[in-house]
Amino acid sequence: GAVVSQHPSWVICKSGTSVKIECRSLDFQATTMFWYRQFPKQSLMLMATSNEGSKATYEQGVEKDKFLINHASLTLSTLTVTSAHPEDSSFYICSARYYLAGGHNEQFFGPGTRLTVL
Amino acid sequence: GQNIDQPTEMTATEGAIVQINCTYQTSGFNGLFWYQQHAGEAPTFLSYNVLDGLEEKGRFSSFLSRSKGYSYLLLKELQMKDSASYLCAVRDSNYQLIWGAGTKLIIKP
Repeated sequence: GAVVSQHPSWVICKSGTSVKIECRSLDFQATTMFWYRQFPKQSLMLMATSNEGSKATYEQGVEKDKFLINHASLTLSTLTVTSAHPEDSSFYICSARYYLAGGHNEQFFGPGTRLTVL
Repeated sequence: GQNIDQPTEMTATEGAIVQINCTYQTSGFNGLFWYQQHAGEAPTFLSYNVLDGLEEKGRFSSFLSRSKGYSYLLLKELQMKDSASYLCAVRDSNYQLIWGAGTKLIIKP
């Protein structure tokens, strides 16, 4: 089946530093990946849609200069949280779009990355 | 290992009721989520259970039994727009989301 990995699974950093999270599709090529954020006891919130070779599309209210997304290859998208602050502490999860035979597509999700900013 | 099981596909009739089951085995438990996902779209949050019992929200209800490692999503008065995949996910002791493969629900008129 289609597998999506994320690295790191958790990270603790100091306020003001930048953190990079990687999302990889392990056994398929993903032209589209999604980045979500989830605060405790809340639903997933879509942050941005990442398209290989082009700029990411950010959801309303998400600062594109703070959350840098790069999708340079068909199997890798990265999310960099720049100048992280405690309020950025959250659970970040990516997903990759996988195309099935017949033109259908599904999203497969990574296991998530827990970011704690001190 | 950690595992989430839910049926691959279910079919139901418009106007009827359907129950989608989810069983889980995880290292710790910090809540269970149900999401709806239409083809090609991002998943939409449906419900969150952390305590045993039934959570009702309109036509959708979700039940949890932590001792049995079991949850179900109940959809009433089915509408054609309810045709979608329904994802069960459990947050483990490390706050990692363990996802089920999803149940594709097909609604027939």
